[in-house]
Amino acid sequence: QSVLTQPPSVSGAPGQRVTISCTGSSSNIGAGYDVHWYQQLPGTAPKLLIYGNNNRPSGVPDRFSGSKSATSASLAITGLQAEDEADYYCQSYDSRLSGSVFGGGTKLTVL
Amino acid sequence: QLQLQESGPGLVKPSETLSLTCTVSGGSISSSSYYWGWIRQPPGKGLEWIGSTYYSGSTYYNPSLKNRVTIYVDTSKNQFSLKLSSVTAADTAVYYCARQWYSSSWIIDYWGQGTLVTVSS
Repeated sequence: QSVLTQPPSVSGAPGQRVTISCTGSSSNIGAGYDVHWYQQLPGTAPKLLIYGNNNRPSGVPDRFSGSKSATSASLAITGLQAEDEADYYCQSYDSRLSGSVFGGGTKLTVL
Repeated sequence: QLQLQESGPGLVKPSETLSLTCTVSGGSISSSSYYWGWIRQPPGKGLEWIGSTYYSGSTYYNPSLKNRVTIYVDTSKNQFSLKLSSVTAADTAVYYCARQWYSSSWIIDYWGQGTLVTVSS
């Protein structure tokens, strides 16, 4: 059972917009710690997609955006493409556990 | 371009110690800006942070693994290593080494390709 809660799966048609939620608590997201998002394509290592709640590393398309509010965060993907089909993980810091914590991951299917 | 490469046995017997090394190239492990860590992913499951180290030797461990984990750095070889003792089948996973930096929580910006470690007799 992950400290951060994500939906197991989401889906959307090409060109559509999808969002993935990440729900935490007062010891992590709610305590003000930043949320980061990672994309894991099949058979590969995770890749940093969004850091500091809403910042994109160089090379990440602006179709990807992040937001944070209270004890939760969201990843939005607009203009969905077949290549976006992957697992997505949120991550933050938990003061009670004194370490990094991940969400359980969300599998995005492009219909 | 920074690269990280995990190495070590792919098969470990139950109750023994898992040992992996991460070799960093394209950058110095002694950089004051970064920590170096290990993350694992059991087959078909999510990511779990194991622990992190700084070039000075300071370490941070996942409380759930703390009693079994040791992470140490060798700056002369630009490497850092993981030891996990008393392994069981539950420790079977892909193990990733990674670079981290802190900005209101840990950001993992570079990952190794990962190495599968199977615990089995």
